[in-house]
Amino acid sequence: QTVVTQEPSLTVSPGGTVTLTCASSTGAVTSGYYPNWFQQKPGQAPRALIYSTNNKHSWTPARFSGSLLGGKAALTLSGVQPEDEAEYYCLLYYGDGQGSWVFGGGTKLTVL
Amino acid sequence: EVQLVESGGGLVQPGGSLRLSCTASGFTSTNFWMSWVRQAPGKGLEWVANINQDGTRKYYVESVEGRFIISRDNTKNSLYLQMNSLRVEDTAVYYCARARGSGSEPCFWGQGALVTVSS
Repeated sequence: QTVVTQEPSLTVSPGGTVTLTCASSTGAVTSGYYPNWFQQKPGQAPRALIYSTNNKHSWTPARFSGSLLGGKAALTLSGVQPEDEAEYYCLLYYGDGQGSWVFGGGTKLTVL
Repeated sequence: EVQLVESGGGLVQPGGSLRLSCTASGFTSTNFWMSWVRQAPGKGLEWVANINQDGTRKYYVESVEGRFIISRDNTKNSLYLQMNSLRVEDTAVYYCARARGSGSEPCFWGQGALVTVSS
């Protein structure tokens, strides 16, 4: 069974920079996994931030960026704002078939 | 504006069945992959199933394969999830989601419907 792993929790100061990562149990994450990133705040539905590794949606703030880093997908927040405190999930693609898409376990980001 | 509204959630006993619906507006559903994603109480997101634009391709997570059926009616701009042989561990908020465009990844999300499986 495929497992996608994220840091359970991270803490960052307002105005700081933080990088969240997303690893696959199958090996290095490449652009072919079409990494997506989502933000979810308590009581709300998830909101898409990044698709296909590093592409932003029209509503994604400029301080969010996606990349590949050391065999993992990465989400970097630069100039963190208090409202960025949330749970962040990555999503990887494993091809058409059973278990096409797999979410990571999520990273709880605290802005303190 | 893209809007997705789930309905059909509720309390069901283990072994029972339930059918979720998702009504879409603000776009033509025939152009997009659609997905169901769930979130157990206090837990993370889990991709459950998706279906392509004309309903000819359907994929499921292993844990629901053979029990859940995803379908769509493009004439009604609607997506469905028939859930059979429900288990306690299927308890979750179920989100309907639309793909961004050419891909199949969920992008636009509904507010979710709670399904509780309990005796």
